[in-house]
Amino acid sequence: NAGVTQTPKFQVLKTGQSMTLQCAQDMNHNSMYWYRQDPGMGLRLIYYSASEGTTDKGEVPNGYNVSRLNKREFSLRLESAAPSQTSVYFCASGTGLWGPQHFGDGTRLSIL
Amino acid sequence: DAKTTQPPSMDCAEGRAANLPCNHSTISGNEYVYWYRQIHSQGPQYIIHGLKNNETNEMASLIITEDRKSSTLILPHATLRDTAVYYCIVRVEDSNYQLIWGAGTKLIIKP
Repeated sequence: NAGVTQTPKFQVLKTGQSMTLQCAQDMNHNSMYWYRQDPGMGLRLIYYSASEGTTDKGEVPNGYNVSRLNKREFSLRLESAAPSQTSVYFCASGTGLWGPQHFGDGTRLSIL
Repeated sequence: DAKTTQPPSMDCAEGRAANLPCNHSTISGNEYVYWYRQIHSQGPQYIIHGLKNNETNEMASLIITEDRKSSTLILPHATLRDTAVYYCIVRVEDSNYQLIWGAGTKLIIKP
């Protein structure tokens, strides 16, 4: 039982490049979330999806887009990467919106 | 801004109970308190949550004061593997119930 799987685990980009972070869960959860975590800080919510077919902005959505491809998958896209987006990105899922969340192991993203 | 206040760090001896405090003096009546932990650089792990009654599960106990302005997470028999950053989070009504994370408490379990 893999839980929440994020790919890739590490990535280095140049300023202006684009990329998509992938997230998949196998727990049949309705809700999925994308967070970022900067050094020494707590998590900040970027986007969330309460159920398949819906997405909403979180606390820090600027510079990001998301797609809830199906119930299992929720991707995060950086269209034009900036150094300020250097961070660790976590995907999470849960049965109900804002209930207990299960997290992936993160994607460590560096933008030069 | 996070609605909780936690000490930045704490120590606890292995085998003893670890008591982690959290202040949430502005909490409103229907806002839940959640606890998560993050071991090293892994993804956070859900521990427990509650509204106003004390809660217990296989990992920990959550004690919420009667006025709900503070709470304590109790790890009854701490082990070295409990060394982590512990986050106390209030699910905030005026942010559409999103979880607003603070910096947490770094708990170090010492042999």
